[in-house]
Amino acid sequence: DIQMTQSPSTLSASVGDRITITCRASQSISDWLAWYQQKPGKAPRLLIYKASSLQTGVPSRFSGSGSGTEFTLTITSLQPDDFATYSCQHYYTYSPTFGQGTRLEIK
Amino acid sequence: EVQLVESGGGLVQPGGSLRLSCAVSGLTVSSNFMTWVRQAPGKGLESVSVIHSGGGTSYADSVKGRFTISRDNSKNMVYLQMNSLRAEDTAVYYCTRGIAVAGPFDYWGQGTLVTVSS
Repeated sequence: DIQMTQSPSTLSASVGDRITITCRASQSISDWLAWYQQKPGKAPRLLIYKASSLQTGVPSRFSGSGSGTEFTLTITSLQPDDFATYSCQHYYTYSPTFGQGTRLEIK
Repeated sequence: EVQLVESGGGLVQPGGSLRLSCAVSGLTVSSNFMTWVRQAPGKGLESVSVIHSGGGTSYADSVKGRFTISRDNSKNMVYLQMNSLRAEDTAVYYCTRGIAVAGPFDYWGQGTLVTVSS
């Protein structure tokens, strides 16, 4: 299976900050990558698909980039509602795998 | 509005069985890729099993031979039959809709907790 590794595991930031989370794949996955946001006790929410396409209804302060093995999720001007856990997921093969998650906490 | 509602979770002893159900509204299960994704306590997400629109199925290696995914088109429901349960199967199980066979997953249920413990 393709391994997905996120960094950092935890990120402390303040409202208004710009942050970036990195996701690395153990082999090339082209741009078959999605990003999810998850809050405690809730189901994940799809934010980004195909590495950089914004899901309907997701604010434009969220953006994704990358291809091959390295990808980033960027949030500009953090809002209080953005503090959550973010996970990447590849869907390059019929065995999709997720990253371990990055917890974004308030500084 | 699309809704996925899971049920059937609970406490079960190691070696036991459980059947999870997912009631779907707002989309037709027979025309979509429906996947069960689980999350062990404090851990990341894991895709467990998918049933294709054509009826084919696939499973993660960790559950192959123990879990069976199925659907009832007349009731618009998806099921996950889990046998020979192990402690490591303890997780919240989510029913999801995949845009393609392996994702991404754009609709999720609220999840149902399965605890395997003696």
